[in-house]
Amino acid sequence: EAGVAQSPRYKIIEKRQSVAFWCNPISGHATLYWYQQILGQGPKLLIQFQNNGVVDDSQLPKDRFSAERLKGVDSTLKIQPAKLEDSAVYLCASSFLTMPPTQYFGPGTRLTVL
Amino acid sequence: SQQGEEDPQALSIQEGENATMNCSYKTSINNLQWYRQNSGRGLVHLILIRSNEREKHSGRLRVTLDTSKKSSSLLITASRAADTASYFCATDVGTGNQFYFGTGTSLTVIP
Repeated sequence: EAGVAQSPRYKIIEKRQSVAFWCNPISGHATLYWYQQILGQGPKLLIQFQNNGVVDDSQLPKDRFSAERLKGVDSTLKIQPAKLEDSAVYLCASSFLTMPPTQYFGPGTRLTVL
Repeated sequence: SQQGEEDPQALSIQEGENATMNCSYKTSINNLQWYRQNSGRGLVHLILIRSNEREKHSGRLRVTLDTSKKSSSLLITASRAADTASYFCATDVGTGNQFYFGTGTSLTVIP
């Protein structure tokens, strides 16, 4: 079974530039999560989708971050404009709608903002 | 913040010894899950314990949950060098299955 795919794996940008990350969840997984993991910390939930609707985006900095999940499958997370403090690993996870859900994580995208 | 806290932050043991790490959280939970993250790898789900359970086992893993103290512990028995990783607890809260991760325990198993 294919896992959660993410691209790119690494990205280096200058501050104030924009960047986008892509995630392809495991086939059949209705729920998709984006997390931000700053070095030395645990992952922080940014946004949760169920199919193509948003369940929770309370911790998403909406002035600069946006995310969408078209057709309830792939998802993109965008940062515009990026700040130095956005340097982190961005993790995508997906799960079935079973209760309780078990999340399967992708390898992440490591973003460095200079 | 609803994020949990793991204790200790770092742990170093000899191969074959047992490793215990603790997680404390702040709000009522639906369930609690433990994850492992190896250097350079993604997060891998290890074990889940529901709020009405007190103890679960999976192979060399034993998890306990004390909802009155809002705490959980993960015991890894007969540790191996391959167990070297960061371990995170994640609490499932609310009605939408939002997950809040702790700060992590970095475990080093010395061969």
